[in-house]
Amino acid sequence: NAGVTQTPKFRILKIGQSMTLQCTQDMNHNYMYWYRQDPGMGLKLIYYSVGAGITDKGEVPNGYNVSRSTTEDFPLRLELAAPSQTSVYFCASSYSVQETQYFGPGTRLLVL
Amino acid sequence: DAKTTQPTSMDCAEGRAANLPCNHSTISGNEYVYWYRQIHSQGPQYIIHGLKNNETNEMASLIITEDRKSSTLILPHATLRDTAVYYCIVRDPFYGGSQGNLIFGKGTKLSVKP
Repeated sequence: NAGVTQTPKFRILKIGQSMTLQCTQDMNHNYMYWYRQDPGMGLKLIYYSVGAGITDKGEVPNGYNVSRSTTEDFPLRLELAAPSQTSVYFCASSYSVQETQYFGPGTRLLVL
Repeated sequence: DAKTTQPTSMDCAEGRAANLPCNHSTISGNEYVYWYRQIHSQGPQYIIHGLKNNETNEMASLIITEDRKSSTLILPHATLRDTAVYYCIVRDPFYGGSQGNLIFGKGTKLSVKP
């Protein structure tokens, strides 16, 4: 299986544009997460989901939206891109809150 | 904020053991110590976790002090591919809601040198 996959790998946005970062996992995991990582910093949790139809805010949710219509997919939506959202975005999944999180390869986003 | 304190960087000679320390003086009784690493630009990778007993797996060993206020991750024979940022994270995996989630600090940048 492929694990956690993310698309695109890299994207440049203009201020005010919108986009959706895609995340898919094929491990039948219930929990999925979105993190962002700014240069030289650790990861910060944006949103997470405990199952299809259930999402909740993490530490830094402002400016983002998520949905979870299926077990496999957990897209992250940026509605009005701002330079402060320039970052690397990682998606992760786990079978339960106790289990290991598996991370995707990341999406590098540049907002100009 | 992260509940752990780690050195910013460390060096290790290839083939030698790498010992990465972590302080977590405010750890509570239900919180586990987790270690992840992040190889350049990749997503973090789980290494090991423990509650109070020492743990070992195919990647590393985790030594937790008796008072649980600090721990050490040991890579027994470091290779160049172990060069990465290592994150020590304290969490209660059974706590519901966002409080049970992973909180990443800045970690320790380990450089393994030939």
